[in-house]
Amino acid sequence: RKEVEQDPGPFNVPEGATVAFNCTYSNSASQSFFWYRQDCRKEPKLLMSVYSSGNEDGRFTAQLNRASQYISLLIRDSKLSDSATYLCVVNRGYGGATNKLIFGTGTLLAVQP
Amino acid sequence: EAQVTQNPRYLITVTGKKLTVTCSQNMNHEYMSWYRQDPGLGLRQIYYSMNVEVTDKGDVPEGYKVSRKEKRNFPLILESPSPNQTSLYFCASSTSNYGYTFGSGTRLTVV
Repeated sequence: RKEVEQDPGPFNVPEGATVAFNCTYSNSASQSFFWYRQDCRKEPKLLMSVYSSGNEDGRFTAQLNRASQYISLLIRDSKLSDSATYLCVVNRGYGGATNKLIFGTGTLLAVQP
Repeated sequence: EAQVTQNPRYLITVTGKKLTVTCSQNMNHEYMSWYRQDPGLGLRQIYYSMNVEVTDKGDVPEGYKVSRKEKRNFPLILESPSPNQTSLYFCASSTSNYGYTFGSGTRLTVV
């Protein structure tokens, strides 16, 4: 079993739709959590950190459930420019040190006009 | 501009010919890391460094070496490349408690 698991998709949604991605992780000692976005053939870019209390950044909302070892990302009012692969990332490092980021294989989102 | 710079962007080489991929960051970050990305396997950590002269293995270190003699540089060395090291490589850096900033990637083909 992979340490970080995501549905690979693709998720094909129309513009304006709300879409949710889920991710589970197996290591209960994981310290911190992130969502990254990766465009085709480009480097991953940090989208947002994920906090236990949940957090929002514009149209994006991230949630963490430590008891269930589950992370989610909600995108509201999808734009064509949101089309990308979304990577769930878990920090296996100790004391908050960001030295052991474990990446999921990603969920592909395609927003259709 | 804050960035992670890796070179070369593209490289085709032959089996057994030693090569080095360079990585440099201008953000004074303590942490640096190398990842490889392969279809269906995602990004996997090769080596990471927590500061100058402090390095440790990631999940797939076999066939690779690294060094961290200066804070800004973290080169990846393939002493004897093999075809199974054909991949997309990313260097990344970070300060504590925050996610990594990635370089633009190096696409390596070993024939």
